[in-house]
Amino acid sequence: EAAVTQSPRNKVTVTGGNVTLSCRQTNSHNYMYWYRQDTGHGLRLIHYSYGAGNLQIGDVPDGYKATRTTQEDFFLLLELASPSQTSLYFCASSETGANTEVFFGKGTRLTVV
Amino acid sequence: AQKVTQTQTSISVVEKTTVTMDCVYETRDSSYFLFWYKQTASGEIVFLIRQDSYKKENATVGHYSLNFQKPKSSIGLIITATQIEDSAVYFCAMRDMNYNQGKLIFGQGTKLSIKP
Repeated sequence: EAAVTQSPRNKVTVTGGNVTLSCRQTNSHNYMYWYRQDTGHGLRLIHYSYGAGNLQIGDVPDGYKATRTTQEDFFLLLELASPSQTSLYFCASSETGANTEVFFGKGTRLTVV
Repeated sequence: AQKVTQTQTSISVVEKTTVTMDCVYETRDSSYFLFWYKQTASGEIVFLIRQDSYKKENATVGHYSLNFQKPKSSIGLIITATQIEDSAVYFCAMRDMNYNQGKLIFGQGTKLSIKP
């Protein structure tokens, strides 16, 4: 069973603060993804990567940076957090191949006050 | 551009009946993959079933099956003999084969409630 671990699971920060969300997968998957989940919008893709050092822009990238430091680790950075970024964030990973399923982490609930 | 749309916000059915959830998609690729995922009350998101665009046969896994209508860019999820534990949010998703380098996008989700 693929393992995707997110940390922290919950985070509260102030407007203008810096936040880093971490994701580690231990299944040697090439693809990793960051999504945000909001009521009425489903899962929206922020950034994704197909390998260490690679970064692809998703559909809602504004206000987010991401970095893939190793095959296992993918980070999401909010450098000037805003209340509109209050959301549930999911990391996911998959093998190479468009037909492969993704495995999700348990999510990080971020609140920006 | 890729797009996945689920217009049914919520559905409620009685246990042991059949339910269909709708999903339409847009893509410029001639080959693509369509997926359905389930998010349980605990928040866990798991893969259910996949349809390959180049296959005419509808995919089936357990009591989940798909209604793939390629000319209508539609991929419906059918759950037969529903059980209480099928209550969840269901997401439709798509990946192109030839474009977008593995980009996987999701629809808005449909919340399914199974009543006893």
